[in-house]
Amino acid sequence: DSGVTQTPKHLITATGQRVTLRCSPRSGDLSVYWYQQSLDQGLQFLIQYYNGEERAKGNILERFSAQQFPDLHSELNLSSLELGDSALYFCASSTANSPLHFGNGTRLTVT
Amino acid sequence: DQQVKQNSPSLSVQEGRISILNCDYTNSMFDYFLWYKKYPAEGPTFLISISSIKDKNEDGRFTVFLNKSAKHLSLHIVPSQPGDSAVYFCAARSGNTGKLIFGQGTTLQVKP
Repeated sequence: DSGVTQTPKHLITATGQRVTLRCSPRSGDLSVYWYQQSLDQGLQFLIQYYNGEERAKGNILERFSAQQFPDLHSELNLSSLELGDSALYFCASSTANSPLHFGNGTRLTVT
Repeated sequence: DQQVKQNSPSLSVQEGRISILNCDYTNSMFDYFLWYKKYPAEGPTFLISISSIKDKNEDGRFTVFLNKSAKHLSLHIVPSQPGDSAVYFCAARSGNTGKLIFGQGTTLQVKP
């Protein structure tokens, strides 16, 4: 158990809809990262938050947004969903200079 | 622009033998490299890491080698066990944000 909790585990929705993925980091970790893993692909970095502030941005679409709340949990919002957004979305957390610890992911299926 | 590449999608080895997983990178600013292991329906779990100032790091059956001049790292598993069967990702860190850039992964199958 990594200590990182992601909900929901599975999500099935239709094109054009909006969903919210939630992540609770390990206790004490200030950084939260979001990654996307599409079929047969590696993990693509989306965005990082540190103590509530955006710290780094990767290949995140404009239709996607994220935030980190004062209690350090984070949400990833995906809107105007397309079939190609179907993927595994992972959240990870870390303290300074420590390896990232990943949750078990949310599997999003867009139909 | 794939800055971290794992060119072998899969690898099959016999139990007890050595498994060697390879990874190449292009960004000379990477200062820290990691290997993660992933089982189905689970998130990646940290396995072993190496700083760019070292060329080898060992932890039990796992050893990571770094060749900076060749921009290449490898993970050796000796002896390989069936429980090692998983997808292995190499990752690299650049700068002070902590974010990691991942390779595409190599699926290792260890046959009994």
